[in-house]
Amino acid sequence: GESVGLHLPTLSVQEGDNSIINCAYSNSASDYFIWYKQESGKGPQFIIDIRSNMDKRQGQRVTVLLNKTVKHLSLQIAATQPGDSAVYFCAENEPRGDKIIFGKGTRLHILP
Amino acid sequence: EPEVTQTPSHQVTQMGQEVILRCVPISNHLYFYWYRQILGQKVEFLVSFYNNEISEKSEIFDDQFSVERPDGSNFTLKIRSTKLEDSAMYFCASTRDRSQPQHFGDGTRLSIL
Repeated sequence: GESVGLHLPTLSVQEGDNSIINCAYSNSASDYFIWYKQESGKGPQFIIDIRSNMDKRQGQRVTVLLNKTVKHLSLQIAATQPGDSAVYFCAENEPRGDKIIFGKGTRLHILP
Repeated sequence: EPEVTQTPSHQVTQMGQEVILRCVPISNHLYFYWYRQILGQKVEFLVSFYNNEISEKSEIFDDQFSVERPDGSNFTLKIRSTKLEDSAMYFCASTRDRSQPQHFGDGTRLSIL
């Protein structure tokens, strides 16, 4: 069965506002999580990752939060820009191997 | 910044024909992967490759599929006798260390007629 998934297939956000994209995972043994951004016609692009010994990690304009108690992962994008329009996937590094298990993706629309 | 490159960007093939998709991973990476994405769906793992052998494969990766690293730079995916349901985007990925994020190419769109 699917190990990682996202709550919403699409999310519309006003330009300049903050975006929050959520993801639920089911494998409590997972210890490494990644967020990827996929623009039209492109491959998944690494945004930020987090290991299970952390609950928050910040990058440039992005923050990932991990709540292991409820097996929830979120990506926060500050001051959303038109270039942030894409499909965002959360992904889990399979704990007994090295493959990535992707969720279904959330398409982020930026409203002018 | 180094990147994973894939060729061709689009491949159109008749059903039943063989197809080879090519990838040049990032040069100092040691772990190599193929994934596929059917239109509008999530990215699915096919196979991982390390030290010149397959380390893991999914149920999608049946005996019609094979991978090869013929030299120090290329990594190929071969489908021996293509089926209509093989139509998808195929992504190559690589990483230096399994505990680090995988970096993806921009994919090959495979269309089976």
